[in-house]
Amino acid sequence: EVQLVQSGTELKKSGESLKISCKASGYSFTNRWIGWVRQMPGQGLEWMAVVYPGDSSTRYNPSFRGHVTVSADKTVSTAYLQWDSLEASDTAMYYCAAFGPDGAFFKYWGQGTLVTLSS
Amino acid sequence: DIVMTQSPDSLAVSLGERATINCKSSQSILYSSNNKNYLAWYQQKAGQPPKLLIYWASTRESGVPGRFSGSGSETDFTLTISSLQAEDVAVYHCQQYYRPPYTFGQGTKVEIK
Repeated sequence: EVQLVQSGTELKKSGESLKISCKASGYSFTNRWIGWVRQMPGQGLEWMAVVYPGDSSTRYNPSFRGHVTVSADKTVSTAYLQWDSLEASDTAMYYCAAFGPDGAFFKYWGQGTLVTLSS
Repeated sequence: DIVMTQSPDSLAVSLGERATINCKSSQSILYSSNNKNYLAWYQQKAGQPPKLLIYWASTRESGVPGRFSGSGSETDFTLTISSLQAEDVAVYHCQQYYRPPYTFGQGTKVEIK
């Protein structure tokens, strides 16, 4: 059974750094793209970025490039999303999700990590 | 970027009746070399992550009930729930995976009338 288990809720302040994680199991981690989707409160889904753990290739939505970094550590089958300097508008639920073998749609999803910026 | 626009934003349907959600892409997402439409549909229930329902515009994911079907080609797509059940109350999202960034529609909320 494929599972994506994400790290827990985060409460941060503007300007702080953050790295959230997504541990994959049940499939060959190095052979599937895995990425991140943002959902701001009451809003739709936004495709942020994906990484291919086999060679660390990345693809970013231009709207997020430069503000976040996506990475993967194949030794622990874990993908990461990190910020060097959080902003108030980063308050959102972040889902990790992985492609299936058939195409570039998200077949598997994590449970979500809530990131809240306090004033 | 390819812009995905769903309609309506919300709809209320009686139990057992048909629900129809539309999704329009700003450019064709039909890849001519394999004749496939790069369109997926997801269901998101309250407090849960999205769940894949349909891919290649009309292929149902394993375990998805037969009352869910997808259709359309090039720029215009439809998700149909043939006989709405109480457990289908959710937000439905379309997504193109033709060209990165693989953009989503804004979502359509389905409720019981």
